[in-house]
Amino acid sequence: DGGITQSPKYLFRKEGQNVTLSCEQNLNHDAMYWYRQDPGQGLRLIYYSQIVNDFQKGDIAEGYSVSREKKESFPLTVTSAQKNPTAFYLCAARISGGPTEAFFGQGTRLTVV
Amino acid sequence: QQPVQSPQAVILREGEDAVINCSSSKALYSVHWYRQKHGEAPVFLMILLKGGEQKGHDKISASFNEKKQQSSLYLTASQLSYSGTYFCGTEFANDYKLSFGAGTTVTVRA
Repeated sequence: DGGITQSPKYLFRKEGQNVTLSCEQNLNHDAMYWYRQDPGQGLRLIYYSQIVNDFQKGDIAEGYSVSREKKESFPLTVTSAQKNPTAFYLCAARISGGPTEAFFGQGTRLTVV
Repeated sequence: QQPVQSPQAVILREGEDAVINCSSSKALYSVHWYRQKHGEAPVFLMILLKGGEQKGHDKISASFNEKKQQSSLYLTASQLSYSGTYFCGTEFANDYKLSFGAGTTVTVRA
């Protein structure tokens, strides 16, 4: 079954701890994206990557970091520097090289207490 | 630069029509439209390229006005299944960044 897998679905962490959200895809798509979703604010872009070992900051990158060591994986680390980390995080992937459909994972709801 | 969507929310009765707008302050290369049901991942509806083409997906269609840098999504003869939050996504030329608006929540009632 082709798609985007985000794990876990729910994640709880204590304030001050870094946490890494997983995103894996078997679609063989080059471009991958991380979005944060908060009520009333839509989908805000955190980081995106077009190829392995290359990524760009999105609109709200502060307090987050990513890596792209493999085409199929794009993990997001929420660091202790992120002031309001509690949110719903969505990962997406699509074919690069033109305007193409983005496929989304089911998301991870992170709660920091 | 997130695109600006309006309205924030709309309530419809089955069979009624609605229009959702999406605008950008920069020249657009393409506009995407997605729908998200509560607790689910956003699902692709359509992409429009600059050139003003209009596309359709069942009774949901969209247009792209290049002069105004604006796209509109038309929900015609709405059905209960149209309920959800609609997002527009925008891309600029030579950039694979895909930014989304704040969303429009559509509620269709029987």
